[in-house]
Amino acid sequence: KNEVEQSPQNLTAQEGEFITINCSYSVGISALHWLQQHPGGGIVSLFMLSSGKKKHGRLIATINIQEKHSSLHITASHPRDSAVYICAVSPHTGNQFYFGTGTSLTVIP
Amino acid sequence: DVKVTQSSRYLVKRTGEKVFLECVQDMDHENMFWYRQDPGLGLRLIYFSYDVKMKEKGDIPEGYSVSREKKERFSLILESASTNQTSMYLCASSLQRYGYTFGSGTRLTVV
Repeated sequence: KNEVEQSPQNLTAQEGEFITINCSYSVGISALHWLQQHPGGGIVSLFMLSSGKKKHGRLIATINIQEKHSSLHITASHPRDSAVYICAVSPHTGNQFYFGTGTSLTVIP
Repeated sequence: DVKVTQSSRYLVKRTGEKVFLECVQDMDHENMFWYRQDPGLGLRLIYFSYDVKMKEKGDIPEGYSVSREKKERFSLILESASTNQTSMYLCASSLQRYGYTFGSGTRLTVV
């Protein structure tokens, strides 16, 4: 049973395209996180959000708590955005996170 | 910035060897975690610790043990490495539930 589902699993885009990655979850949460992992690299946190929308540069993250759904958008995508994007949730109880399986994004020049 | 340091980026070990993966964090984080990451399976929790000398099993603890003698250090031990333990291992730490900080990972190959 997967508490966090991401789609799509893999995504290839042309440079400049607008990209959307989706995340749905089934548990009550205190926060949702979007993480980025470059090939061979560690994981960095992009956003932590519990309501509404956050923006950082070309990245935008939204969350709808009622629908238990979040999206990560990348505007004007660039090859350096190529990475695995992981959605994670911190449930109301316990200290561990639940992770989605990740979306592998490749942006072609 | 909190830093989580894993001792090795790449490691190659033989079947049957005892393997130690070390993780050190430089803030006063209570919680530390060991995950393995495999294609198509995502991150799976092996063990976590919420205090010194405390440990809890995660989803896939079989074949692993852990040690937390000091707050800043959390070690993952493979008692007798096997080829199905070839994977990327990620350590993370957190202060309560305010977000994880991940190490850069150790890619372990067991031959």
